[in-house]
Amino acid sequence: EDQVTQSPEALRLQEGESSSLNCSYTVSGLRGLFWYRQDPGKGPEFLFTLYSAGEEKEKERLKATLTKKESFLHITAPKPEDSATYLCAVQALAGNNRKLIWGLGTSLAVNP
Amino acid sequence: DTEVTQTPKHLVMGMTNKKSLKCEQHMGHRAMYWYKQKAKKPPELMFVYSYEKLSINESVPSRFSPECPNSSLLNLHLHALQPEDSALYLCASSQGDRTNYGYTFGSGTRLTVV
Repeated sequence: EDQVTQSPEALRLQEGESSSLNCSYTVSGLRGLFWYRQDPGKGPEFLFTLYSAGEEKEKERLKATLTKKESFLHITAPKPEDSATYLCAVQALAGNNRKLIWGLGTSLAVNP
Repeated sequence: DTEVTQTPKHLVMGMTNKKSLKCEQHMGHRAMYWYKQKAKKPPELMFVYSYEKLSINESVPSRFSPECPNSSLLNLHLHALQPEDSALYLCASSQGDRTNYGYTFGSGTRLTVV
């Protein structure tokens, strides 16, 4: 069964304390892995798409990496404004369509 | 314009009311989506429109009725909802329904059914 698991469920960091969020997946026919950031009461904000193992992408303090089984979102020297829920989603084949399978998210709090 | 605009932002409706949620994008995206999101849960797919035709209906109850009048607009008509339908309703769009690109989400409509 296709599945996406994110860990930890919640993470509290001090400002400047770097860390990583994990997204492990088991899907057949991977067609991309997406990272989103979501603030309370808002829609998810697209961060990255990764397509193949070994791929890396960076944006400001965030860096996403992908292996055949998992993806990491590395946060370097986080600031309080990085506090949000980070969602991972995998696009997989579903018959003639493609389907997004979501993890439950990691709630990140960065204290000043 | 790289936005998906949803209206209204908040909606309170009774169980006998009829209301509509609206979504608009001008990015030239040809696939549009409705998602439902409950607190502390990921978005849950409801409907997919591809080139203005309904391509996926995730067994959503008939009290939710989607409509795609043109390539830029997506509506969700609501009728006889239940309190458990209270949630954040998200609209999204993408370049195609088989896209390898990110999905662009709107800010959502916070729906409360009383």
